[in-house]
Amino acid sequence: NAGVTQTPKFQVLKTGQSMTLQCAQDMNHNSMYWYRQDPGMGLRLIYYSASEGTTDKGEVPNGYNVSRLNKREFSLRLESAAPSQTSVYFCASISQGNNEQFFGPGTRLTVL
Amino acid sequence: AQKVTQAQTEISVVEKEDVTLDCVYETRDTTYYLFWYKQPPSGELVFLIRRNSFDEQNEISGRYSWNFQKSTSSFNFTITASQVVDSAVYFCALSEAWRGGGADGLTFGKGTHLIIQP
Repeated sequence: NAGVTQTPKFQVLKTGQSMTLQCAQDMNHNSMYWYRQDPGMGLRLIYYSASEGTTDKGEVPNGYNVSRLNKREFSLRLESAAPSQTSVYFCASISQGNNEQFFGPGTRLTVL
Repeated sequence: AQKVTQAQTEISVVEKEDVTLDCVYETRDTTYYLFWYKQPPSGELVFLIRRNSFDEQNEISGRYSWNFQKSTSSFNFTITASQVVDSAVYFCALSEAWRGGGADGLTFGKGTHLIIQP
């Protein structure tokens, strides 16, 4: 039982490049989330998926797209990366029974 | 709209001192959940506690204790006899009740950086 996994762990992009951050969970959770963490800002919700086939915007969705590929996987795509998207990205899933969120290890993204 | 405020940006204490991290929240829901997470220098988020809005009992887990007071919308976290390994950033977070079977994520405070000096 790996919990929530994220790939890659680190990534450096140039402005304008695109990339996809991958997230998978093996706990059979319905809901999954993408957050970004910036210094002094805490974590902020980018997008979430309450169940397979649905996605919704969070607090800071601009510049991102998501895909809920199946129940296990929830990817985050940057179509044209900008320096303002330099951040640490966390994926999470939630246990509906007790509302506990399980977080992945994070992806540290730098956009030059 | 929901909001979590951690007014203490950074706290520095000497090892073995007790320290309390403050958390004040705002929500219009009557049913909600409160969380504390620890983020050590390695960067991962470590779950510490979850409390639902109907359970105002204080909780103690070893050197950690939590004081939930709905009257003041606070959920404070105390570390007794602090140790260097407690040095980390601590986040308080709020989740409102499930809507239609899905939860719309956590609202985090900005975190308190706790430094325990030997």
